[in-house]
Amino acid sequence: DIQMTQSPSSLSASVGDRVTITCRASQSISTYLNWYQQRPGKAPKLLIYVASSLQSGVPSRFSGSGSGTDFTLTISSLQPEDFAAYYCQQSYSTPFTFGQGTRLEIK
Amino acid sequence: EVQLLESGGGLVQPGGSLRLSCAASGFIFSNYAMSWVRQAPGKGLEWVSSVSDSGRSTYYVDSVKGRFTISRDNSKNTLYLQMNSLRAEDTAVYYCAKTPGLVRGARPDVWGQGTTVTVSS
Repeated sequence: DIQMTQSPSSLSASVGDRVTITCRASQSISTYLNWYQQRPGKAPKLLIYVASSLQSGVPSRFSGSGSGTDFTLTISSLQPEDFAAYYCQQSYSTPFTFGQGTRLEIK
Repeated sequence: EVQLLESGGGLVQPGGSLRLSCAASGFIFSNYAMSWVRQAPGKGLEWVSSVSDSGRSTYYVDSVKGRFTISRDNSKNTLYLQMNSLRAEDTAVYYCAKTPGLVRGARPDVWGQGTTVTVSS
């Protein structure tokens, strides 16, 4: 199975900050990488697919990059509604493993 | 409006069975693969299973192989997860998700609200 490792596990930031979350795969997954946001008590929401494609309706302050084994999710200017958990997931092969998550908290 | 509504969760004893359902609306159900993803209390997300648009191809995480069966009824726009031989570690919120792009490039883009399964004596 492909292991996905996110860093950091938690992050404190302020409204207006630029933040970056990293995801590393245990083997090359080309660009088959999704990013999700999950607010407490809610279902996950797809933000980015195939590493850098913005899902319809997602604000442009979210962006993704990377290929092979190293990927990043960047939020250019944090808004209050962005404080949530974020997960990466590889869609290269089953089982479609997730990273352990990054909790983004208000500083 | 695209919508997924899960049902069938509840409290079950270890070794018991449960069938989850996911009713879909607002899109052509038979055109899309579907998936189940679960989240144990206070934990991260775990992909459980996916099924192709026709239902002919199915995929499972190793921990549920031989115990869970994913299926769909395209005439009823409904996805199912039959769960047998349930264990305490299966306790989780189970989400169904519309999954374009199965297999390589799968991108679950619409999710239900989840249904809670608790396995306990």
